[in-house]
Amino acid sequence: KNEVEQSPQNLTAQEGEFITINCSYSVGISALHWLQQHPGGGIVSLFMLSSGKKKHGRLIATINIQEKHSSLHITASHPRDSAVYICAALSTDKLIFGTGTRLQVFP
Amino acid sequence: GAGVSQTPSNKVTEKGKYVELRCDPISGHTALYWYRQSLGQGPEFLIYFQGTGAADDSGLPNDRFFAVRPEGSVSTLKIQRTERGDSAMYLCASSLSSGRIGELFFGEGSRLTVL
Repeated sequence: KNEVEQSPQNLTAQEGEFITINCSYSVGISALHWLQQHPGGGIVSLFMLSSGKKKHGRLIATINIQEKHSSLHITASHPRDSAVYICAALSTDKLIFGTGTRLQVFP
Repeated sequence: GAGVSQTPSNKVTEKGKYVELRCDPISGHTALYWYRQSLGQGPEFLIYFQGTGAADDSGLPNDRFFAVRPEGSVSTLKIQRTERGDSAMYLCASSLSSGRIGELFFGEGSRLTVL
């Protein structure tokens, strides 16, 4: 069993739909990162969370430390949101990555 | 530039050859991470530097892999006697501190193909 698990692995949506990607972890963490990876490999950091909720534009990330669970939400999804979304748990200075969720948003 | 720079962006080599991959982090970032990502998988931790020293090299798969950061800035990942299974995207990231506080910034990666 992976220490960081994401669901779903693949997600397709119509433009405008509300998207939720889930991340569960089994290790003790000091923070959790949500990352976006576009085709070609470049990774961009979206959020770093240690508690509560953060919002940036149409993106919202939440974390429940007691339940060891985090979610990434995308409101009013757009085709340009199509990418792989990866959660990564920071545990003793080491990032442990989930396998990613491939999101495709169709117009 | 202002971001994390990795070179080469693509490297094709033959089995058994030696390869060096370079990471130039954001100026002032003391923490530097190397990851390896195989197709369809999430990144896998290799090694983490805090300054010049390797704080955690537990992710290096075997003794063919070695990384240095002699002046606390640029880091080089070295792979000896490459094997086909080493083919992957090698990603570098840097952070202002150990990552406890700082946001991570990733390079574009170096795609290694071993024929």
